[in-house]
Formats: sequence, C-alpha cells, structure tokens
Amino acid sequence: KNEVEQSPQNLTAQEGEFITINCSYSVGISALHWLQQHPGGGIVSLFMLSSGKKKHGRLIATINIQEKHSSLHITASHPRDSAVYICAVSRAETSGSRLTFGEGTQLTVNP
Amino acid sequence: NAGVTQTPKFQVLKTGQSMTLQCAQDMNHNSMYWYRQDPGMGLRLIYYSASEGTTDKGEVPNGYNVSRLNKREFSLRLESAAPSQTSVYFCASSDVPARRNTEAFFGQGTRLTVV
Repeated sequence: KNEVEQSPQNLTAQEGEFITINCSYSVGISALHWLQQHPGGGIVSLFMLSSGKKKHGRLIATINIQEKHSSLHITASHPRDSAVYICAVSRAETSGSRLTFGEGTQLTVNP
Repeated sequence: NAGVTQTPKFQVLKTGQSMTLQCAQDMNHNSMYWYRQDPGMGLRLIYYSASEGTTDKGEVPNGYNVSRLNKREFSLRLESAAPSQTSVYFCASSDVPARRNTEAFFGQGTRLTVV
C-alpha cells in the first residue's frame, strides 16, 4: 500500500462544477503539499499546509491531521484547471523538502 | 526570475550511452533534489543534496551519480543508460534544510528515452 493515496485517479468535470480531490496518508508528516502539473510542463506548488485550511483564488486546501486526510477543492472549475494534481507529504522524520508523492489525479474540465 | 532550470528538455539515448542532466537554481537555496516520474507511480527521489558539498541517496539511486558543483548547480549522471531509466526527470530545490516545512520549486523536467 502506498504511503500517500489519492482519489480519484481520473476526474472529468464540466466547466463551472465544484471539484474535490482527496489525499490520505499513512505516515507521520510535518507538512502536506498540493502540486499542479500541466501537460508537458513542470510542477508548481499550490499549497503547503500543516493544519486547517488555505485558500488561493478558486482553490481551497484543507487538512485533518487526526484523520490523516487532505482535500483540494476547486470552485467554479474552468478548462484551464485541467492538469494533474499531486499530493505530497514532508515526512516528520526528514528535513527540507524530501517529499513522498501520491500518484496524482488527472483532472479534465470540459467547456 | 528563472527559478530552477533543467537541461536538456528531451533526450534519446542508446543503451550503454552516458549523459549528464544539468540543473541550476537562482534562489540561493541550500537543498536540491533529483526525482524521476514514471507512469502509474508518484515521483520518486533519486538523490538529494541537503547543502553544498553533501549528497545522499534517495529511494532509487542505482544507476545514477550526482555532483553538487556549487550552491547553484546539481547534476545527475547516467554512466551506462538502460531502458529502465526511461522516465521524466525533475530537479527541485528548497530553502534551508533545517526548516522542515519548506516549499519545493521544480524545474520543467527532462524527458529521457533509452532505446
């Protein structure tokens, strides 16, 4: 079993829909990261959080430390949101950004 | 503000050939990393350098070597490429290694095919 599990693996939505991507982890962490990867492109960091909730524009990330679970929400989705969204964790016993990654969720938003 | 720059973006090698992937960052970060990304798997750590002058193995170091040339540059070398090393390679950097909760910055990736 992977230490970081994401669901769903693939998600197709219509423009305007509210989207939720889930991430569960089984190790002790110091922080959880949400990353975005566009086709053929690099990886950019969306959020880093260790508790509670963060919001940036139409993106919201939440984390429940007790349940070892995080969600990434996208409100009013748009075709430009189509990308792979990756959950990663900074493990509690390591320093810096040695991350353990989930497999990613491929999101497609249709117009 | 270039961030993390990787070269080349694409490369095709024959089995047994060698090559070096270059990575440079201009954010004065101490820590640098090399990951590989394969279909159906999350990114996996090959090697990392917590600070200039140090390097350590990650999850999948076999078949690779690294050099932390200076604070800016961290290269990944394949001495004798194998088809199993066909992958997308990402370099990343982050701030002071003692701070656990540090955001990572990634390069654009190098798509390597070994035939």
